[in-house]
Amino acid sequence: ETGVTQSPTHLIKTRGQQVTLRCSSQSGHNTVSWYQQALGQGPQFIFQYYREEENGRGNFPPRFSGLQFPNYSSELNVNALELDDSALYLCASSRNPRDPGRNTGELFFGEGSRLTVL
Amino acid sequence: GENVEQHPSTLSVQEGDSAVIKCTYSDSASNYFPWYKQELGKGPQLIIDIRSNVGEKKDQRIAVTLNKTAKHFSLHITETQPEDSAVYFCAASEAGNMLTFGGGTRLMVKP
Repeated sequence: ETGVTQSPTHLIKTRGQQVTLRCSSQSGHNTVSWYQQALGQGPQFIFQYYREEENGRGNFPPRFSGLQFPNYSSELNVNALELDDSALYLCASSRNPRDPGRNTGELFFGEGSRLTVL
Repeated sequence: GENVEQHPSTLSVQEGDSAVIKCTYSDSASNYFPWYKQELGKGPQLIIDIRSNVGEKKDQRIAVTLNKTAKHFSLHITETQPEDSAVYFCAASEAGNMLTFGGGTRLMVKP
């Protein structure tokens, strides 16, 4: 049990629709990262949020966007859904490695939101 | 950017035997190498990690080795048990928490 919670756990959308996924980070963590995991593959980094700003981005188009709130929770938004967006979306919380004090940079993952696009 | 290759993709061992999973990475700036275990329907769970200033780290039946010169690192599980059956992922990063994952290894431990 990592303390990272994601919602919804499963959802089905159709092509062209928009989706919002939510994540609550573990207590004491100020950084949230999102990953996309296609079936049978390793997770791929989408982006990371720190202090409510995007702090790094992987190779994903602008229709993937996010937010981080003052309580460090986060949202992932995907517009104009495509069939290939079907995947498990994982949220991970951590402390930022550049923060002072004991900080190992470990990521703690939630159970994921499984998105199916028809 | 970083590229992480992992092999084998599947590994079947008898209970009690050892299992070894190997990964290579491309970016010499990477300095953090975690291993995650993912069970069916769950998110990845960190099982062990190693940083570039260390060559080997052990935690009970699990050990990880790192060769920075050759840019490869390995996970060793001894005395495997059926509950070790899962998908294992290696990863690498420079910034500490923007990870590049390998493709995964499905480990099956036969009782």
